[in-house]
Amino acid sequence: AAGVIQSPRHLIKEKRETATLKCYPIPRHDTVYWYQQGPGQDPQFLISFYEKMQSDKGSIPDRFSAQQFSDYHSELNMSSLELGDSALYFCASRQDIVTDTQYFGPGTRLTVL
Amino acid sequence: EDKVVQSPLSLVVHEGDTVTLNCSYEVTNFRSLLWYKQEKKAPTFLFMLTSSGIEKKSGRLSSILDKKELFSILNITATQTGDSAVYLCAVGWAGNNRKLIWGLGTSLAVNP
Repeated sequence: AAGVIQSPRHLIKEKRETATLKCYPIPRHDTVYWYQQGPGQDPQFLISFYEKMQSDKGSIPDRFSAQQFSDYHSELNMSSLELGDSALYFCASRQDIVTDTQYFGPGTRLTVL
Repeated sequence: EDKVVQSPLSLVVHEGDTVTLNCSYEVTNFRSLLWYKQEKKAPTFLFMLTSSGIEKKSGRLSSILDKKELFSILNITATQTGDSAVYLCAVGWAGNNRKLIWGLGTSLAVNP
């Protein structure tokens, strides 16, 4: 069965650089969630999109932005990277009106040096 | 403030043991409770519970929800080293954005 695809899987950036993470949801899933997970922490919700519109906003820094495109894939844009942004970034997708279950992608490990 | 509390935070057992993981919640607009297993990668979905008293089972894993006492348990019988992981509990919120409220997880280590 198709799963959530994230790219890249690993990314190394320097402070003050920018990064773009991509997420391709499971086919027919119309809702995408972005999470940030630091070592030993639970996933921290950043932002979500439903039908290409932002549906909820969590602890996403102002330096980050995201959008969902017409093909339902989503991109998380991160600017002025800081050391503290080093984390695992997960994307999850869900099919609205069917279930609360979010299916997670493999994650992008971002390291900021 | 909505919250999900898991206990214990950490557990070490031997292969063959049975473990019970707990998840209690205080969430307005409760919709569902979900269990995920996370090894050194993305969380993988285990169960979604919406009704009290109905056990969900998958192999050696089972889970049940008590909506009166506001908790759920996840049981793992005859544990194996491959069960070693962090088990995350999340509560689905019934608002428009269908967010999940996460617990901190229980870290389970199964020793041979």
